[in-house]
Amino acid sequence: EAGVVQSPRYKIIEKKQPVAFWCNPISGHNTLYWYLQNLGQGPELLIRYENEEAVDDSQLPKDRFSAERLKGVDSTLKIQPAELGDSAVYLCASSPDQRGGDTQYFGPGTRLTVL
Amino acid sequence: AQSVTQLDSQVPVFEEAPVELRCNYSSSVSVYLFWYVQYPNQGLQLLLKYLSGSTLVKGINGFEAEFNKSQTSFHLRKPSVHISDTAEYFCAVSEYGGAQKLVFGQGTRLTINP
Repeated sequence: EAGVVQSPRYKIIEKKQPVAFWCNPISGHNTLYWYLQNLGQGPELLIRYENEEAVDDSQLPKDRFSAERLKGVDSTLKIQPAELGDSAVYLCASSPDQRGGDTQYFGPGTRLTVL
Repeated sequence: AQSVTQLDSQVPVFEEAPVELRCNYSSSVSVYLFWYVQYPNQGLQLLLKYLSGSTLVKGINGFEAEFNKSQTSFHLRKPSVHISDTAEYFCAVSEYGGAQKLVFGQGTRLTINP
């Protein structure tokens, strides 16, 4: 079974430039998550999707961040414009359902460096 | 709201020694508890989780954890570590009966010395 796929793995951009990250979850997983992981910290949830619906985006900075999950499968997270403080690892995860005890399966992440 | 505190940011141990990584949580409701491991340049992988029932939970790679409700703790243990256990370990909680919203601790870096 293929795991969660993310691309690119690494991205270096200048500040004020746009950037996008792509995630393909495990087949059949209805719930998809985007997390932000700062250096030396645990992941923090940005947004959670149930199929194509964003059911929790309370932690997403909506002035510069946007996300979509068309057709309820893969997802894209965008930052426009990027700031120096956005340098971090962006993790995508998926789970079969959104029940509290479900295991989340994580992708390898995209490491963003903003210069 | 829930919060998680991992009491040690770094834990160095010698190979084949036992190890304990400490995790305390705060919540006004019952919770599910998780331990994830993150190897360098990889995503997080589930080690074990506590949902209900027996408070001693066994996971992969010889790890186990014990849920202590009175002390609001979920410490991770392994009786004999290997070089390959060198990684970052994260404790996490989610609300019992609620949606799957994980709240993570800051992580503990486990370093195994030969």
